Amino acid sequence: QVQLQESGTRLVKFSETLSLTCSVSGASIRTYAWTWIRQSADKGLEWIGRLDYTGRDNYNPSLRSRVFMSLDLSDNKFSLKLHSVTAADTAIYYCARDRTVEGTDSWGHGILVTVSS
Amino acid sequence: QSVLTQSPSASGTPGQMVTMSCSGSSSNIGTNYVYWYQQLPGTAPKLLIYKNNQRPSGVPDRFSGSKSGTSASLAVSGLRSEDEGDYYCAAWDNSLNGHYVFGTGTRVTVL
Repeated sequence: QVQLQESGTRLVKFSETLSLTCSVSGASIRTYAWTWIRQSADKGLEWIGRLDYTGRDNYNPSLRSRVFMSLDLSDNKFSLKLHSVTAADTAIYYCARDRTVEGTDSWGHGILVTVSS
Repeated sequence: QSVLTQSPSASGTPGQMVTMSCSGSSSNIGTNYVYWYQQLPGTAPKLLIYKNNQRPSGVPDRFSGSKSGTSASLAVSGLRSEDEGDYYCAAWDNSLNGHYVFGTGTRVTVL
Protein backbone atom coordinates (compact mmCIF):
# COMPACT_ATOMS: atom_id res chain seq x y z
CA GLN A 1 0.00 0.00 0.00
CA VAL A 2 1.38 3.35 -1.04
CA GLN A 3 1.74 5.96 1.68
CA LEU A 4 2.71 9.59 1.28
CA GLN A 5 3.62 12.09 3.98
CA GLU A 6 4.10 15.81 3.54
CA SER A 7 6.60 17.73 5.63
CA GLY A 8 8.06 21.20 5.62
CA THR A 9 7.72 24.73 6.92
CA ARG A 10 4.16 25.46 7.98
CA LEU A 11 4.56 29.21 8.37
CA VAL A 12 6.20 31.13 5.54
CA LYS A 13 6.77 34.84 5.40
CA PHE A 14 5.40 37.00 2.61
CA SER A 15 7.67 37.05 -0.50
CA GLU A 16 9.78 34.12 0.71
CA THR A 17 9.91 30.52 -0.59
CA LEU A 18 7.58 27.74 0.45
CA SER A 19 9.38 24.39 0.64
CA LEU A 20 7.70 21.02 1.09
CA THR A 21 8.84 17.42 0.85
CA CYS A 22 6.79 14.29 0.29
CA SER A 23 8.11 11.00 1.62
CA VAL A 24 6.85 7.97 -0.28
CA SER A 25 6.68 4.42 1.04
CA GLY A 26 5.25 1.31 -0.55
CA ALA A 27 6.15 2.40 -4.07
CA SER A 28 9.17 3.65 -5.96
CA ILE A 29 9.10 7.18 -7.31
CA ARG A 30 10.84 5.70 -10.37
CA THR A 31 7.34 4.66 -11.43
CA TYR A 32 4.43 6.83 -12.56
CA ALA A 33 4.42 10.57 -11.79
CA TRP A 34 4.20 12.59 -8.63
CA THR A 35 2.09 15.63 -8.10
CA TRP A 36 1.28 18.49 -5.76
CA ILE A 37 -2.24 19.79 -5.26
CA ARG A 38 -3.42 22.47 -2.90
CA GLN A 39 -6.75 23.41 -1.41
CA SER A 40 -7.96 26.69 -0.03
CA ALA A 41 -11.40 27.86 0.97
CA ASP A 42 -11.70 30.37 -1.86
CA LYS A 43 -10.03 28.43 -4.70
CA GLY A 44 -11.05 24.87 -3.93
CA LEU A 45 -8.73 22.15 -5.25
CA GLU A 46 -5.92 23.55 -7.36
CA TRP A 47 -3.44 21.40 -9.26
CA ILE A 48 0.12 22.71 -8.92
CA GLY A 49 2.11 20.38 -11.12
CA ARG A 50 3.47 16.92 -11.79
CA LEU A 51 6.88 15.40 -12.37
CA ASP A 52 7.92 11.92 -13.40
CA TYR A 53 11.22 10.12 -12.99
CA THR A 54 12.25 10.89 -16.57
CA GLY A 55 12.15 14.56 -15.69
CA ARG A 56 9.05 15.29 -17.70
CA ASP A 57 7.02 17.96 -15.94
CA ASN A 58 3.85 19.99 -16.29
CA TYR A 59 2.78 22.93 -14.21
CA ASN A 60 -0.33 24.97 -13.60
CA PRO A 61 0.02 27.92 -15.99
CA SER A 62 -0.93 30.35 -13.23
CA LEU A 63 1.92 29.12 -11.01
CA ARG A 64 4.53 28.03 -13.55
CA SER A 65 6.78 31.04 -13.11
CA ARG A 66 7.09 30.44 -9.35
CA VAL A 67 7.12 26.64 -9.02
CA PHE A 68 9.96 24.14 -8.97
CA MET A 69 9.48 20.43 -8.38
CA SER A 70 12.18 17.80 -7.97
CA LEU A 71 12.66 14.11 -7.23
CA ASP A 72 15.15 12.58 -4.78
CA LEU A 73 15.51 9.08 -6.17
CA SER A 74 17.93 7.94 -3.48
CA ASP A 75 15.54 8.82 -0.64
CA ASN A 76 12.30 8.10 -2.50
CA LYS A 77 11.03 11.62 -1.90
CA PHE A 78 9.89 14.50 -4.02
CA SER A 79 9.77 18.19 -3.29
CA LEU A 80 7.99 21.42 -4.05
CA LYS A 81 9.30 24.94 -3.97
CA LEU A 82 7.01 27.90 -4.51
CA HIS A 83 8.76 31.25 -4.69
CA SER A 84 7.57 34.76 -3.84
CA VAL A 85 4.57 33.62 -1.82
CA THR A 86 1.63 35.83 -0.91
CA ALA A 87 -1.42 35.34 1.29
CA ALA A 88 -3.13 33.72 -1.69
CA ASP A 89 -0.73 30.78 -1.34
CA THR A 90 -2.07 29.91 2.11
CA ALA A 91 -3.61 26.46 1.68
CA ILE A 92 -3.49 22.81 2.55
CA TYR A 93 -0.87 21.23 0.32
CA TYR A 94 -1.24 17.60 -0.72
CA CYS A 95 1.30 15.37 -2.41
CA ALA A 96 -0.04 12.50 -4.43
CA ARG A 97 0.79 9.78 -6.94
CA ASP A 98 -0.40 10.38 -10.46
CA ARG A 99 -0.99 7.17 -12.38
CA THR A 100 -1.82 9.17 -15.49
CA VAL A 101 -4.92 7.60 -17.08
CA GLU A 102 -5.63 5.62 -13.92
CA GLY A 103 -5.92 8.86 -11.99
CA THR A 104 -4.37 10.36 -8.87
CA ASP A 105 -4.85 7.35 -6.68
CA SER A 106 -2.82 7.88 -3.53
CA TRP A 107 -2.74 11.07 -1.48
CA GLY A 108 -0.93 12.31 1.58
CA HIS A 109 -2.90 13.65 4.53
CA GLY A 110 -2.04 17.23 3.60
CA ILE A 111 -0.11 19.97 5.36
CA LEU A 112 -1.47 23.41 6.12
CA VAL A 113 0.90 26.15 5.06
CA THR A 114 0.18 29.70 6.12
CA VAL A 115 1.78 32.77 4.58
CA SER A 116 2.29 35.53 7.12
CA SER A 117 2.90 39.17 6.53
CA GLN B 1 -10.27 29.80 -10.91
CA SER B 2 -11.76 26.38 -11.76
CA VAL B 3 -12.25 25.55 -15.41
CA LEU B 4 -14.79 22.82 -14.71
CA THR B 5 -18.17 23.90 -13.36
CA GLN B 6 -20.13 21.69 -11.01
CA SER B 7 -23.57 21.94 -9.48
CA PRO B 8 -22.91 23.41 -6.01
CA SER B 9 -25.00 21.02 -3.98
CA ALA B 10 -27.02 17.84 -4.04
CA SER B 11 -29.00 16.11 -1.35
CA GLY B 12 -31.09 13.05 -0.72
CA THR B 13 -32.40 10.73 1.94
CA PRO B 14 -30.76 7.40 2.69
CA GLY B 15 -31.39 4.91 -0.09
CA GLN B 16 -32.11 7.52 -2.73
CA MET B 17 -30.02 8.31 -5.79
CA VAL B 18 -28.29 11.65 -6.26
CA THR B 19 -26.58 12.87 -9.38
CA MET B 20 -24.20 15.74 -9.96
CA SER B 21 -22.90 17.38 -13.08
CA CYS B 22 -19.56 18.68 -14.33
CA SER B 23 -19.33 21.01 -17.31
CA GLY B 24 -16.15 21.71 -19.21
CA SER B 25 -14.99 22.44 -22.73
CA SER B 26 -13.44 20.88 -25.81
CA SER B 27 -9.92 21.29 -24.43
CA ASN B 28 -10.61 19.22 -21.32
CA ILE B 29 -13.67 16.98 -20.93
CA GLY B 30 -14.38 17.07 -24.65
CA THR B 31 -11.12 15.29 -25.49
CA ASN B 32 -9.81 13.73 -22.28
CA TYR B 33 -10.90 11.37 -19.55
CA VAL B 34 -12.90 12.57 -16.57
CA TYR B 35 -12.04 11.69 -12.99
CA TRP B 36 -14.08 12.02 -9.82
CA TYR B 37 -12.76 12.48 -6.31
CA GLN B 38 -14.61 12.15 -3.02
CA GLN B 39 -13.54 14.27 -0.06
CA LEU B 40 -15.08 13.38 3.27
CA PRO B 41 -14.91 15.93 6.10
CA GLY B 42 -11.38 16.43 7.42
CA THR B 43 -9.76 14.03 4.99
CA ALA B 44 -7.77 14.12 1.77
CA PRO B 45 -9.56 13.57 -1.52
CA LYS B 46 -9.93 9.99 -2.68
CA LEU B 47 -10.12 8.74 -6.26
CA LEU B 48 -13.65 7.52 -6.93
CA ILE B 49 -13.87 7.22 -10.72
CA TYR B 50 -11.18 7.18 -13.41
CA LYS B 51 -11.33 7.07 -17.21
CA ASN B 52 -14.90 8.44 -17.17
CA ASN B 53 -16.60 5.42 -15.63
CA GLN B 54 -14.07 3.04 -14.08
CA ARG B 55 -14.01 2.34 -10.36
CA PRO B 56 -10.76 1.68 -8.51
CA SER B 57 -10.63 -1.46 -6.44
CA GLY B 58 -12.66 -1.03 -3.26
CA VAL B 59 -15.05 1.63 -4.55
CA PRO B 60 -18.65 0.35 -4.32
CA ASP B 61 -20.66 -0.02 -7.51
CA ARG B 62 -23.14 2.47 -6.02
CA PHE B 63 -20.88 5.08 -7.59
CA SER B 64 -21.05 5.45 -11.37
CA GLY B 65 -19.67 7.99 -13.80
CA SER B 66 -20.56 8.95 -17.33
CA LYS B 67 -19.49 11.44 -19.94
CA SER B 68 -21.15 13.02 -22.94
CA GLY B 69 -19.50 15.66 -25.07
CA THR B 70 -18.07 18.34 -22.81
CA SER B 71 -20.02 17.30 -19.72
CA ALA B 72 -19.85 14.51 -17.22
CA SER B 73 -21.92 13.29 -14.34
CA LEU B 74 -21.56 11.21 -11.21
CA ALA B 75 -24.41 9.21 -9.72
CA VAL B 76 -24.56 7.83 -6.23
CA SER B 77 -27.27 5.23 -5.73
CA GLY B 78 -28.41 3.78 -2.42
CA LEU B 79 -27.25 6.94 -0.67
CA ARG B 80 -25.68 6.36 2.74
CA SER B 81 -24.82 8.77 5.55
CA GLU B 82 -21.12 8.11 5.02
CA ASP B 83 -21.40 9.49 1.47
CA GLU B 84 -21.83 13.00 2.83
CA GLY B 85 -18.99 15.19 1.68
CA ASP B 86 -17.59 17.03 -1.31
CA TYR B 87 -17.19 15.58 -4.79
CA TYR B 88 -14.85 16.98 -7.42
CA CYS B 89 -14.54 16.23 -11.09
CA ALA B 90 -11.21 16.65 -12.87
CA ALA B 91 -9.70 16.31 -16.30
CA TRP B 92 -6.54 17.02 -18.23
CA ASP B 93 -6.71 20.26 -20.19
CA ASN B 94 -4.76 20.43 -23.43
CA SER B 95 -4.35 24.21 -23.45
CA LEU B 96 -1.24 26.09 -22.31
CA ASN B 97 1.15 23.11 -22.57
CA GLY B 98 -1.28 20.84 -20.74
CA HIS B 99 -2.39 20.91 -17.15
CA TYR B 100 -4.84 19.20 -14.84
CA VAL B 101 -8.00 21.02 -13.82
CA PHE B 102 -10.47 20.40 -11.03
CA GLY B 103 -14.13 21.24 -10.81
CA THR B 104 -15.68 23.67 -8.36
CA GLY B 105 -17.01 20.84 -6.23
CA THR B 106 -20.46 19.56 -5.23
CA ARG B 107 -21.44 19.28 -1.59
CA VAL B 108 -23.58 16.19 -1.01
CA THR B 109 -25.84 16.22 2.01
CA VAL B 110 -27.67 13.17 3.32
CA LEU B 111 -30.92 14.33 4.86
